[in-house]
Amino acid sequence: DGGITQSPKYLFRKEGQNVTLSCEQNLNHDAMYWYRQDPGQGLRLIYYSQIVNDFQKGDIAEGYSVSREKKESFPLTVTSAQKNPTAFYLCASSIRTGASSGANVLTFGAGSRLTVL
Amino acid sequence: AQTVTQSQPEMSVQEAETVTLSCTYDTSENNYYLFWYKQPPSRQMILVIRQEAYKQQNATENRFSVNFQKAAKSFSLKISDSQLGDTAMYFCAFMKAFGNEKLTFGTGTRLTIIP
Repeated sequence: DGGITQSPKYLFRKEGQNVTLSCEQNLNHDAMYWYRQDPGQGLRLIYYSQIVNDFQKGDIAEGYSVSREKKESFPLTVTSAQKNPTAFYLCASSIRTGASSGANVLTFGAGSRLTVL
Repeated sequence: AQTVTQSQPEMSVQEAETVTLSCTYDTSENNYYLFWYKQPPSRQMILVIRQEAYKQQNATENRFSVNFQKAAKSFSLKISDSQLGDTAMYFCAFMKAFGNEKLTFGTGTRLTIIP
């Protein structure tokens, strides 16, 4: 079955450590996204990528980094510069505009919960 | 920049009743998409319904329908014959039709269906 796989589901980090969250999709989608979810704040966009080897900052990119070396993969690194990294992280992907009737619909992974100890 | 506002943090309704969730948005764009996503306790985000701004007809998906008022920038979700499985967070979201395809979310409405 096609879908998005995020790993790990739960991750604990000590202060000062970098951690990388994995996101892999087999939907042949062009665009991929990372969102952060905090209680009472909805989902906020961290980074997104519309094609391989290209990505753009979202609304809260500080303290995060990404790469898009393959169409299927869009890993997110939470660096030690992120002041409050404890949150639920969601990865998503979509077909680009105009490709089909499903264009612009984001498909989400199951999420990763990061806790800083 | 686009903003999405959901003014009802929490709602509850008896099973089998109808409930309407409110959403307003602010944009200068003429072509865009609006969405309602559902996040049950499993935290998996699920698309409920999608509306294209250039279509005047309101979208419907089984028990779910929207009231899209473009001039008023309003996009409410109506759930008919509510079921226990409808208990979830519901997020309204906006995306421009062209250019950077970012999805902007509201803060969500926690809906509880009471048996």
